[in-house]
Amino acid sequence: GENVEQHPSTLSVQEGDSAVIKCTYSDSASNYFPWYKQELGKGPQLIIDIRSNVGEKKDQRIAVTLNKTAKHFSLHITETQPEDSAVYFCAALLYNFNKFYFGSGTKLNVKP
Amino acid sequence: DADVTQTPRNRITKTGKRIMLECSQTKGHDRMYWYRQDPGLGLRLIYYSFDVKDINKGEISDGYSVSRQAQAKFSLSLESAIPNQTALYFCATSDTGTGGGGYTFGSGTRLTVV
Repeated sequence: GENVEQHPSTLSVQEGDSAVIKCTYSDSASNYFPWYKQELGKGPQLIIDIRSNVGEKKDQRIAVTLNKTAKHFSLHITETQPEDSAVYFCAALLYNFNKFYFGSGTKLNVKP
Repeated sequence: DADVTQTPRNRITKTGKRIMLECSQTKGHDRMYWYRQDPGLGLRLIYYSFDVKDINKGEISDGYSVSRQAQAKFSLSLESAIPNQTALYFCATSDTGTGGGGYTFGSGTRLTVV
């Protein structure tokens, strides 16, 4: 099966700074990589995703990069705001196995 | 109304009791999943179902069972609850196995076994 590792487990940044969360995966057959944001008391929500045929994707202040050779992908948040404070999960979809493997989560704290 | 609804939102139960967590969805998705979340361990898959007649074990299925009553309903049962099943439980749905759009999660059920 797939193994997804996520770092760091906690991240504290000053408002306006950038935040980067990194994930690695083990199976080169994984082909879809979503990122989820979980706010307190809520379920995870998809914020951005990337497929294995793309190296980078941006959506306003959020971007995801994928390095297939090294089997790692990263979430980049620029100009962080207090409302970005949450737990972020990466995931990998193993092609033909039809289920996601999640990282252990990163708790991001944006200090005003 | 939420796309994926979980009931109850919170539940305290005693060791040895049978308890059912319910999930219903209005997304029209075929695939439904139950995950457990513990601090520092992320999300772990308990069971999943790709259609009404399909049930599959995930990585931590021991002590749990599921029922897919309809395309829109997927329930999780703890036959005899034990304290280490205290956790946050999430139901999720997805449209296709290729990951189009990822998962839609419910708001979770916080279960405490005393």
